[in-house]
Amino acid sequence: AQTVTQSQPEMSVQEAETVTLSCTYDTSESDYYLFWYKQPPSRQMILVIRQEAYKQQNATENRFSVNFQKAAKSFSLKISDSQLGDAAMYFCACTSYGKLTFGQGTILTVHP
Amino acid sequence: DVKVTQSSRYLVKRTGEKVFLECVQDMDHENMFWYRQDPGLGLRLIYFSYDVKMKEKGDIPEGYSVSREKKERFSLILESASTNQTSMYLCASSPLGSPSTNYGYTFGSGTRLTVV
Repeated sequence: AQTVTQSQPEMSVQEAETVTLSCTYDTSESDYYLFWYKQPPSRQMILVIRQEAYKQQNATENRFSVNFQKAAKSFSLKISDSQLGDAAMYFCACTSYGKLTFGQGTILTVHP
Repeated sequence: DVKVTQSSRYLVKRTGEKVFLECVQDMDHENMFWYRQDPGLGLRLIYFSYDVKMKEKGDIPEGYSVSREKKERFSLILESASTNQTSMYLCASSPLGSPSTNYGYTFGSGTRLTVV
């Protein structure tokens, strides 16, 4: 069975500062994908960033980047220059035969 | 331009009622999924479907069933609603071969179901 663990139920950051959200996973697959999703109060799940497991280079999308440590099965999300609009629930997820397995979620609060 | 539509944003039902949650996608996706979201537990997969009239159990199928008579529509059925099924339900879809072929998954905006 595939598992995804987010050990930080809540995190907070000052506007313009940097914050890192943690995620660990466990899978028996050799080819898999990892995702970070954002869920604002509107509930709409928004893809933030994705990482192919076979790629060693860490994915980046503007202010969002990941630290992918395959051997440690770790996949953290770094948000730089945090903005008020980044406040949301963030979910880490891993694929298994086309299905997504999600972590428990981390609520991110951004203080002005 | 909402592409995965869930029929109700909020729903209140009584214990023992048969409940239908509807999900429609307009992207011609083969794969459709139903998840349940609870605080501290994240999203858990209830059922999924890779094709019309096809269904597979996810991690927590007990108390639920599904129907996929048409490619664009995937219904979640609570045969006899119970209070422990009070939750947020999210539908998602993805194309064949996802996620290796593209960014894949598109989610609806959820149905918050309360069973009283």
